[in-house]
Formats: sequence, structure tokens, C-alpha cells
Amino acid sequence: KAGVTQTPRYLIKTRGQQVTLSCSPISGHRSVSWYQQTPGQGLQFLFEYFSETQRNKGNFPGRFSGRQFSNSRSEMNVSTLELGDSALYLCASSLAALSYEQYFGPGTRLTVT
Amino acid sequence: AQTVTQSQPEMSVQEAETVTLSCTYDTSENNYYLFWYKQPPSRQMILVIRQEAYKQQNATENRFSVNFQKAAKSFSLKISDSQLGDTAMYFCAFMKDTGTASKLTFGTGTRLQVTL
Repeated sequence: KAGVTQTPRYLIKTRGQQVTLSCSPISGHRSVSWYQQTPGQGLQFLFEYFSETQRNKGNFPGRFSGRQFSNSRSEMNVSTLELGDSALYLCASSLAALSYEQYFGPGTRLTVT
Repeated sequence: AQTVTQSQPEMSVQEAETVTLSCTYDTSENNYYLFWYKQPPSRQMILVIRQEAYKQQNATENRFSVNFQKAAKSFSLKISDSQLGDTAMYFCAFMKDTGTASKLTFGTGTRLQVTL
């Protein structure tokens, strides 16, 4: 069974632009969570989607948004990029009934210049 | 709110030796899960071991085992017979057991270096 995939793997954007990151969960997994990883703040929870609905949300500004499609694939969007948004963005998927077991993708490295 | 503390930023161990990574957490919840995740230099986060708070028996997975002390809110990871491939960042993580929540709260990590 294929693992969690994330595209693109690397991205360079300019301050003020917006960006969309994509995550395809493991087949059969309906829950997708997003995390931001930075050297300063560590790993922080962004949000979680289940059945196309946002079920949990972390403490991030409204510039960070996401959505989930009927095939469970998820996207996250960051608008008006700031230098501080430079980070590794990790996506994790889990079975709805076993939401405590999360499987992570390789991440998207976003650099904002 | 839950917090997870890993007080050892870096550790080193020789191949074939045993090493223990520390983790403490703070929560008012009674039902929760604790995890150790491994993030090798390639960046893919891998689940190492899971512990349900309601289980008194410590979890084990091959060379990896935990010492779960619920009253002390302590959750350490022991790696036996360390291998070069164990070199990675290790994160301790907490999740409330609400049946639906999937939010992981991570510690700051411990960088483990396995040497020859």
C-alpha cells in the first residue's frame, strides 16, 4: 500500500504570494492532519480534516486554510506569505476508527524569500 | 492545554549499546495516547511506538520499549542494541482520546546520534 504523498516536495515563494500544498493520504484513510515544523517553534498542529470537514484547528492565523476532497486528498493554502511561514509542512493520515495512529508524508519544504 | 517536555536536546550512544530518551507531559486528561516518533535526516516521520494511558503494561516493539509512569506523567523510550540506522530526531507526542480528535502535541525532540 502506498504511503502518504505530498506535492511539491520543495517550493520557493516570495513574500506576499500565496501557496497551495497537496497531500494524498494512504488509501482508505479518511482523516488528514497538517503540521508545521520550524526550528524555532517545533512541530505545531495546523488543522485536521475528516470527510471533507475541518474537525480540529490549531492556533494559526486565518491566512492558513485547508480543504479536503471527496477522495480524501487534502490541500492547504497559505495566503499573503510571510518570511516566518518558511517551514516544513507535514501531512499525516489516519483511519477514522484509529485516529490515534497517524502516518506522515515526507513533507513540503517551503521557503519564503 | 497539554504540554510535552523533552529535556535532552542531544544524546549520543555507541552501536549495540542501550540508550534511554526522556519525556514528561502535563495534562488533566485521564484518557490519552502517548507516542514516540522518529524523524531520520530524510525527514519522513515514522511512528516508533504507542502507549495507551489506560494500559498499565509498558509497550514494546522489538528493540524499542517504553517506561510509562502515569502518576509521574513520564514516558521514556529505551532503545536496546542501538544501530546506526537509529540516528534521528526522536519526538515524544501526546494525543487526547476523544474518539475523534487527531491532534498530536509534540515535544521539542531529542537528536540521537549512534556512533561506531
